[in-house]
Amino acid sequence: GESVGLHLPTLSVQEGDNSIINCAYSNSASDYFIWYKQESGKGPQFIIDIRSNMDKRQGQRVTVLLNKTVKHLSLQIAATQPGDSAVYFCAENSQGYKLSFGAGTTVTVRA
Amino acid sequence: NAGVTQTPKFQVLKTGQSMTLQCAQDMNHEYMSWYRQDPGMGLRLIHYSVGAGITDQGEVPNGYNVSRSTTEDFPLRLLSAAPSQTSVYFCASTDRDREDGYTFGSGTRLTVV
Repeated sequence: GESVGLHLPTLSVQEGDNSIINCAYSNSASDYFIWYKQESGKGPQFIIDIRSNMDKRQGQRVTVLLNKTVKHLSLQIAATQPGDSAVYFCAENSQGYKLSFGAGTTVTVRA
Repeated sequence: NAGVTQTPKFQVLKTGQSMTLQCAQDMNHEYMSWYRQDPGMGLRLIHYSVGAGITDQGEVPNGYNVSRSTTEDFPLRLLSAAPSQTSVYFCASTDRDREDGYTFGSGTRLTVV
């Protein structure tokens, strides 16, 4: 079946640098994409979302880019902070209200 | 605070036992769903509901039952627990327009011995 996947399982970033987390999806029918942050022992926390009729969306220190041509999604975190250390998941929404998750990228921020 | 509440937070079961994981939301969301998360993996959809009285299967439904008698509650039942069901279970909800994604509960960590 089709699935969502992340390019890299881990990412190490120097504090203050920008982080880029990538995600590839394969279901061209997906119309809604979400990035989640998950800290140890907690549930996924919503970061930002984007609908398929958009290419870019910005939030506070985060930007999501959607390239439908190559089925690619990315999350950019500006000025990465120690509190940004977590596992990041992309999720795609297709077939109504079903969410499909990738395996996640573990981000570690170096002081 | 408004959100998704899951109980219990931790549970240990013996193989063959049954139990119900509770999920309640107070945001009047129509859509609710259950996911399981295994170590090093993303979340996989077990069952979901698009409204009271309506449920459907997700990616990994075997061994689980659900019902949705009210908008607020969406319990997940394990009929006969197996070690393969050891996992962390998350409940999520969203409104019709999927504003601000899906809200997740804090999870139930289940161990089947």
